[in-house]
Amino acid sequence: SAVISQKPSRDICQRGTSLTIQCQVDSQVTMMFWYRQQPGQSLTLIATANQGSEATYESGFVIDKFPISRPNLTFSTLTVSNMSPEDSSIYLCSAGAWGANTEAFFGQGTRLTVV
Amino acid sequence: AQSVTQPDIHITVSEGASLELRCNYSYGATPYLFWYVQSPGQGLQLLLKYFSGDTLVQGIKGFEAEFKRSQSSFNLRKPSVHWSDAAEYFCAVTGGGNKLTFGTGTQLKVEL
Repeated sequence: SAVISQKPSRDICQRGTSLTIQCQVDSQVTMMFWYRQQPGQSLTLIATANQGSEATYESGFVIDKFPISRPNLTFSTLTVSNMSPEDSSIYLCSAGAWGANTEAFFGQGTRLTVV
Repeated sequence: AQSVTQPDIHITVSEGASLELRCNYSYGATPYLFWYVQSPGQGLQLLLKYFSGDTLVQGIKGFEAEFKRSQSSFNLRKPSVHWSDAAEYFCAVTGGGNKLTFGTGTQLKVEL
């Protein structure tokens, strides 16, 4: 299994500002992802964080709003840019390996409130 | 496109009673199926997963799930619920590629 640490665990931010969320995995993993969970909703995939290249974004999410970095196999960041109250959500990092031994683990999430 | 349906938004059971949470999926090939639990203010914890083989899968905390291909279902069960099981439960599917698709979740309340 993999242990995923996210920080910050929560934050309250002013609209118009940006927040960078960090995700650290305790072992090398093939895949890393970022999800958003809006209040009372399920999880929606934002993007796949690709090591050393641009992230792959899902429909409805763009790099200018959610820039992602993944400099190595164990670390990724998600930035929520130019925030508005609609960005208030829990943001979760996920990591795992895929194929014959598919695993998917999650961090504890970052609870973001935009005021 | 893959999808997951959890028909029950809320379920209330008495402590000690049995539990079944429903999950139906849509996927064109053999799916990889997961159940996660999310306690208030927490991230997601993996309860169990199904890839292949025995269709009855055992997980942590006394949970099990049964994969029924003919019904496109992967229902989660527990014979005796404990008050600490109160949480939100998510079913998820992937094709073994890289994207998990989640259901909308079932909120479980346990009455003492």
